[in-house]
Amino acid sequence: EIQLQESGPGLVKPSQSLSLTCSVTGYTITSGYDWSWIRKFPGNKMEWMGYISYSGSTNYNPSLKSRISITRDTSKNQFFLQLNSVTTEDTATYYCATLSYWGQGVMVTVSS
Amino acid sequence: DVVMTQTPVSLPVSLGGQASISCRSSQSLVHSNGNTYLHWYLQKPGQSPQLLIYRVSNRFSGVPDRFSGSGSGTDFTLKISRVEPEDLGDYYCLQSTHFPWTFGGGTKLELK
Repeated sequence: EIQLQESGPGLVKPSQSLSLTCSVTGYTITSGYDWSWIRKFPGNKMEWMGYISYSGSTNYNPSLKSRISITRDTSKNQFFLQLNSVTTEDTATYYCATLSYWGQGVMVTVSS
Repeated sequence: DVVMTQTPVSLPVSLGGQASISCRSSQSLVHSNGNTYLHWYLQKPGQSPQLLIYRVSNRFSGVPDRFSGSGSGTDFTLKISRVEPEDLGDYYCLQSTHFPWTFGGGTKLELK
């Protein structure tokens, strides 16, 4: 069974970078699927942020412009989210997911 | 971006009754490969979203046949028959035909 688990700080200061890790078990991230980061804002709006494919290519939501980077460590079967220059509007619950399987999510608050 | 208009926002139902949720897209979700990448998710309270239906009408593994999806082009429907307590929560549609992938605004299924 594929399982995903997010980890990272729950509090980030404005203008700093948000960094999250997704650890995958039960499946090798180089075998298939697109590995996404998705966030849910207070008020329940959902936003797909981007993915890294099993081959290592990336695709990002243009709304995040040049602030986002998704990378991976295949030796650890992990992939990562970095979101730069965060503001309070980046406060959300962040999920790593394939379309079929999701992590349990990590709540990130941007506040000074 | 493709705008996904999901209705209703709130849907009161009786246990054992039927529910229907609509998702309309601002442009056709038929991919150039002929597939339609419209999916339905349920997020129960305190849990991460779970895939119910993928590519319009395919039930994901373990999803009861009380859930059915239909539609084409820009107009899609999720139907839930014989509603059970575990069906309550927030439902979302997601299109992954066009980048960026976009979600509907959500429908809260609650008891009447």
